[in-house]
This record gives sequence, structure tokens and C-alpha cells, in this order.
Amino acid sequence: GAGVSQSPRYKVAKRGQDVALRCDPISGHVSLFWYQQALGQGPEFLTYFQNEAQLDKSGLPSDRFFAERPEGSVSTLKIQRTQQEDSAVYLCASSPDRNTEAFFGQGTRLTVV
Amino acid sequence: QKEVEQNSGPLSVPEGAIASLNCTYSDRVSQSFFWYRQYSGKSPELIMSIYSNGDKEDGRFTAQLNKASQYVSLLIRDSQPSDSATYLCAVGGIQGAQKLVFGQGTRLTINP
Repeated sequence: GAGVSQSPRYKVAKRGQDVALRCDPISGHVSLFWYQQALGQGPEFLTYFQNEAQLDKSGLPSDRFFAERPEGSVSTLKIQRTQQEDSAVYLCASSPDRNTEAFFGQGTRLTVV
Repeated sequence: QKEVEQNSGPLSVPEGAIASLNCTYSDRVSQSFFWYRQYSGKSPELIMSIYSNGDKEDGRFTAQLNKASQYVSLLIRDSQPSDSATYLCAVGGIQGAQKLVFGQGTRLTINP
């Protein structure tokens, strides 16, 4: 596809369950970003990859959050032992390089019950 | 103080009028500025980017940047009902799109 693809679109998890969210960036895009968007708020930065290297993970809220991009294309955001406060839309964005605009995927809406 | 501040609105503008959206930011080293449009339940869509002081026009949209005042705005001319959405201001550092800091967004409603 032409755009950033995320899956699943919706995920309901029981509190304490582990979840994995997938992002397929635009082909050839070097930079990949994960953001978390709570209801009624702007997206908040979680982490940034340049190719397979995770250059910034300062926004990850706790050690329950882990992201990887092992081959420099697809990325997975994993949340262990989910809590209710993890409920949000998780957005992935990619850009051709670090100095240009980022384009967002449709997001994964995570609801922890 | 939030790093990027926007009036959350809602902002109501009659169809055909000019909608003016404002954003201030606190980090003086910010170098890249973006406006995203987000329809309800959808992802943010980039509509404008601006990197230097002054105005940048693209169709009905004009972005204005004043780094001395740490202020960026978006004007939408000839507003259409389809422009009704939340507009997110995002600010980046020297290295462009890395680690964008977003405002909370301004909800804009264009009234027919």
C-alpha cells in the first residue's frame, strides 16, 4: 500500500494482558515514530527509529513499553501487563528521512478493560 | 506550562469566512513547524509545514511563523464545511520531524 499501515485497528485487552501493535511504514522510509494519543489530546511522542536503530525512547511511559524494528522496516510496539491508563490510540508515523515531514497511519485503538 | 499551546475551542466560523488558528511554543530552539488536520476517529493528516519566518501559502491554507514571538498560525480562506476538524499544531527541533511536540488541538466547526 501507499500509506503507513497499522494493525490491528482495534484491540481490547484485559488488564494484565500483553499486547503487540504492528506498524508497516511507507516503503523506503528511514524514520519511524510511535505516538500515543489519549482522548481529546494531541499525540505524545513515545519513541523514534532510524532504520533499525532506536535513537530515542524517552517518551516510553514505563518499562512495560517496548518497541523494536529489527530489519529497519516493520516495527512492533509491545505493552506488557496492560493497565487501564494504557487505553489510547497508538499512532505510527514514518518519514523518508529525519529532516522531512512525517505521515501517520490510521492508528490502533487500545482499550484495556 | 505546556510546550505547545493551542486554544482547544471549539471555534465556529461561517462558511466562506476566514478561520484563524493559533499556536504558541516554549522551546526557542524549535526549527520546524507543522499543522495537521484530524477528523474524528481518524489519524492526523499533514496539511502544512513551515520552517522560516513569514508566510507560506498552499491553496486556501496559509501558515505564518514568527520565531521571535514563538508563534505560528494557520489561516483557512473560504472555509468549507469539510474543513470542520481538529487542527493540531506540532513543533519539531533542529532535525525536522523527530520527536514532534503536539498541542492539544483546536476543534474547528464551519457552519453552513
